[in-house]
Amino acid sequence: EIVMTQSPATLSVSPGERATLSCRASQSVSSNLAWYQQKPGQAPRLLIYGASTRATGIPARFSGSGSGTEFTLTISSLQSEDFAVYYCQQYNNWPLAFGQGTKVEIK
Amino acid sequence: QVQLVQSGAEVKKPGASVKVSCKASGYTFTSYAMHWVRQAPGQRLEWMGWINAGNGNTKYSQKFQGRVTITRDTSASTAYMELSSLRSEDTAVYYCARESPPHCSGGSCYSGAADYWGQGTLVTVSS
Repeated sequence: EIVMTQSPATLSVSPGERATLSCRASQSVSSNLAWYQQKPGQAPRLLIYGASTRATGIPARFSGSGSGTEFTLTISSLQSEDFAVYYCQQYNNWPLAFGQGTKVEIK
Repeated sequence: QVQLVQSGAEVKKPGASVKVSCKASGYTFTSYAMHWVRQAPGQRLEWMGWINAGNGNTKYSQKFQGRVTITRDTSASTAYMELSSLRSEDTAVYYCARESPPHCSGGSCYSGAADYWGQGTLVTVSS
């Protein structure tokens, strides 16, 4: 079973600044990794799949990179609506698995 | 537009079962798989299982094997998740989520991300 570990747990960022979130897999997941955004009381929203492909309607300020075991989600210039919890998810192997999340909060 | 509408909140006693429904609209139901994911209060998302809505094949997380059953009714474009032998630790919001179309590279295609999610169903297990 693959374990997904995200860091940091909390990231304090000022609006307009760049945010860099990390996700590590306990074994290679190739490029079969997705990123989601979740706001309080809402369902997750798909941001990135295939490690680097933005989902439909996702702004260009969101970008994903990495392969194998190390992945990064970058938000180039944080907007007020981007403060949320972000999860990575691997779908290379059953069972699918999510990281524990990174909370992006206003500094 | 794609929509997944789940059934309402449930309160169950320990040992009981719960069945959550997920009605899909805006796309061809049998062309996409459906995942079920849960989230306990303050916890990470947890994958429970998956159904191929076309042929009914299922896969379950070992953690829930024997307690979870995922089915679908193609005539109603609805997927169901039933969890039995409920305990307090099963208190969570349960989501259905449509599997996104596969992406391909190097001759291989993969899918497993979830592009549309239901609104969630809160299941509370309490005596």
